[in-house]
Amino acid sequence: DQQVKQNSPSLSVQEGRISILNCDYTNSMFDYFLWYKKYPAEGPTFLISISSIKDKNEDGRFTVFLNKSAKHLSLHIVPSQPGDSAVYFCAARGANDYKLSFGAGTTVTVRA
Amino acid sequence: SAVISQKPSRDICQRGTSLTIQCQVDSQVTMMFWYRQQPGQSLTLIATANQGSEATYESGFVIDKFPISRPNLTFSTLTVSNMSPEDSSIYLCSAGGGEQFFGPGTRLTVL
Repeated sequence: DQQVKQNSPSLSVQEGRISILNCDYTNSMFDYFLWYKKYPAEGPTFLISISSIKDKNEDGRFTVFLNKSAKHLSLHIVPSQPGDSAVYFCAARGANDYKLSFGAGTTVTVRA
Repeated sequence: SAVISQKPSRDICQRGTSLTIQCQVDSQVTMMFWYRQQPGQSLTLIATANQGSEATYESGFVIDKFPISRPNLTFSTLTVSNMSPEDSSIYLCSAGGGEQFFGPGTRLTVL
């Protein structure tokens, strides 16, 4: 049972424009959400996270938005750069539970 | 953040054999985890490696198939036992409580 869903397997965006990645979850016990970026032949790299008590968290070019009532979060990357081309995973965990549930990933390609 | 290394980075093994993957963290951590990423799939948690006690396995994973050791707060091993081609995956270890940090992964191919 996939509790974290990334319904878009791929996204192509022009350099300098905004990339928007979406993630939905079904488990109402999730209260902490993370985004990871993965290059081929490397492990996932932590990007940004958000707690359920917030609806937005920003770190440089990366902003994560959380809509708890819709059980939806999104990652905005602006401006997109060629080095952002990677697979992005959404992950979630519950309170006092360090185990992460991952989405299937979205492959982002930034075109020059 | 923690820096995590894994050995080997890749291996090709024959069915019926076993492979032990090592995971080293550059600092002491309470929580260590093992994940599997099958081809074209997401990351699936295999188990939580507990220091000084048995690992805690997720549904669908058993100790006989994936024995785990955690002898101290910086090191863990995962063994993939009696391998079959279905075990061909990337195996990743991670560490941390809030934000987990991942090793580079071990790409296993079973023939």
